Amino acid sequence: GAGVSQTPSNKVTEKGKYVELRCDPISGHTALYWYRQSLGQGPEFLIYFQGTGAADDSGLPNDRFFAVRPEGSVSTLKIQRTERGDSAVYLCASRLAGGPYNEQFFGPGTRLTVL
Amino acid sequence: GIQVEQSPPDLILQEGANSTLRCNFSDSVNNLQWFHQNPWGQLINLFYIPSGTKQNGRLSATTVATERYSLLYISSSQTTDSGVYFCAATSSISSGSARQLTFGSGTQLTVLP
Repeated sequence: GAGVSQTPSNKVTEKGKYVELRCDPISGHTALYWYRQSLGQGPEFLIYFQGTGAADDSGLPNDRFFAVRPEGSVSTLKIQRTERGDSAVYLCASRLAGGPYNEQFFGPGTRLTVL
Repeated sequence: GIQVEQSPPDLILQEGANSTLRCNFSDSVNNLQWFHQNPWGQLINLFYIPSGTKQNGRLSATTVATERYSLLYISSSQTTDSGVYFCAATSSISSGSARQLTFGSGTQLTVLP
């Protein structure tokens, strides 16, 4: 079956602009995560959705970052007034929620470059 | 929150050699995963192994949950094994319903022909 997909694969924008990054999780996975990976580091948690609601947004760095998942499937990460420090790879992951099995599966990521 | 430490940070091998990568974690876990990040940045799932031992071809992994460490073994390494290997864990104490992964800093493996 299809894995997690993300679009675009690359996004170049100018400082101060608004960007949207899209994630399409594995079909049937109700748990969805966004992570951010800076160069030379491991991914870091941003936000978690269980269904349509953001159940944990404790990893969002500031209020310029926002994410939605209106129908409990596709999610969009939105970044306002982008800064050069936002440049990173943004990764989406999904998991089959419920029960003890917690394995997460990752998409290919969106490489965001803020000039 | 949980701390995840990986060693060594860098490893260079000749093709055909064996290697062991280590992951230490600070809390009890309900999820531990090993990933290989390929040169295009894709995180490839190697093992879901919160405890016990698993094998998949030339790769195997062992997690000793009571001693808070996990090992990834690569046997008869090939140049295609090159890349960054990440260990990531979820604390069974502090993560709540999110169960987000905390990643280590990775081991950069280079396999020379």
